[in-house]
Amino acid sequence: RKEVEQDPGPFNVPEGATVAFNCTYSNSASQSFFWYRQDCRKEPKLLMSVYSSGNEDGRFTAQLNRASQYISLLIRDSKLSDSATYLCAVNRPNTDKLIFGTGTRLQVFP
Amino acid sequence: DGGITQSPKYLFRKEGQNVTLSCEQNLNHDAMYWYRQDPGQGLRLIYYSQIVNDFQKGDIAEGYSVSREKKESFPLTVTSAQKNPTAFYLCATGPGTGGAYQPQHFGDGTRLSIL
Repeated sequence: RKEVEQDPGPFNVPEGATVAFNCTYSNSASQSFFWYRQDCRKEPKLLMSVYSSGNEDGRFTAQLNRASQYISLLIRDSKLSDSATYLCAVNRPNTDKLIFGTGTRLQVFP
Repeated sequence: DGGITQSPKYLFRKEGQNVTLSCEQNLNHDAMYWYRQDPGQGLRLIYYSQIVNDFQKGDIAEGYSVSREKKESFPLTVTSAQKNPTAFYLCATGPGTGGAYQPQHFGDGTRLSIL
């Protein structure tokens, strides 16, 4: 089983839709979780950290499900500008390493 | 990120040649990382450094070398031993460990191709 797994998509959604992505991780001892956004041919940019209690930033909500070992990202009221690849990152316990998923591609259409 | 500068943006390597990618940061971060990204794949860790004059191999270190002589700088050399160097190379920094792990922030990358 891969350490971090994401559905590659693409997820094609109309403007205004709500869309959610999951990211599963294999090591139950992982403690730190992040979502990054990567535009085509650009570097990943931190979107948000994922806290145990869940957290929200505008139209974006991140949640952690420790029992099932996954994190989720919910985007409400999708905009054309949300089109990008969304990478999750999870720490490898007892190391200083982050393990990145391969990303989920989102395409928002008019 | 404005505080992490990678150069050059594009680089072409001839067969048998070593090339060096630059990464400089002014964020005063202790930890620096080099990743490689291939199309349709996630980021794979090449090398990382938590402190000056110390660095560790990542998951795919073969054919690469690094140095960390200054806190601000973490250059990556792609040697001729790396037979498939064509990729997008990303440098990242982080405050380092100490309790909860902090996110990493990336430079804008170097695209390396073989001539």
